[in-house]
Amino acid sequence: GAVVSQHPSRVICKSGTSVKIECRSLDFQATTMFWYRQFPKQSLMLMATSNEGSKATYEQGVEKDKFLINHASLTLSTLTVTSAHPEDSSFYICSAMEASGSPFRDEQFFGPGTRLTVL
Amino acid sequence: AQSVTQLDSQVPVFEEAPVELRCNYSSSVSVYLFWYVQYPNQGLQLLLKYLSGSTLVKGINGFEAEFNKSQTSFHLRKPSVHISDTAEYFCAVKDTGGFKTIFGAGTRLFVKA
Repeated sequence: GAVVSQHPSRVICKSGTSVKIECRSLDFQATTMFWYRQFPKQSLMLMATSNEGSKATYEQGVEKDKFLINHASLTLSTLTVTSAHPEDSSFYICSAMEASGSPFRDEQFFGPGTRLTVL
Repeated sequence: AQSVTQLDSQVPVFEEAPVELRCNYSSSVSVYLFWYVQYPNQGLQLLLKYLSGSTLVKGINGFEAEFNKSQTSFHLRKPSVHISDTAEYFCAVKDTGGFKTIFGAGTRLFVKA
């Protein structure tokens, strides 16, 4: 299957700083990328959906000024957590999809996740 | 809107025993159904999916699931589990006309020796 990478895998930062997480599709062009947040022992919560070259669509309750998403190319999306606070500590997972128009090929491929710890 | 309910938060089972992880969904439109597995500190890996056709779907690692439209269920089964199957399993649903995938809360499968 297709490969999605995330960098960094772990990051620890001080409160008030900003952190950027990269999500890359390595062997396909991702027309759509998704960012999820996962709290310990809980499910994935969709934060936003981004399409290449356009603004991200945020889910209700997700602050777009705090979680900046950029999908500048067909293989790269970034999530920047601005002015991070301890409550932003979480596991962030991205996924990428190449929209082919066929549900049989529109599979979401998930990155390995980024563990963010804000001190 | 769709929703997914995974009826068991944890399922302990002995090695080589069969297992069933239960999933029910609700939706007013046609849906696609998925099961994903997540190992500790990793992303999700697709186990299997139901898009159309045969209601019995076979996936990787010996898992299978059966789509039951009348009961709105998509239970995951494996006839004989291994220690390595210990992981978190997520059921998910997506409406046939949309992009969003909605995940259940997850079931922790713990295989004991």
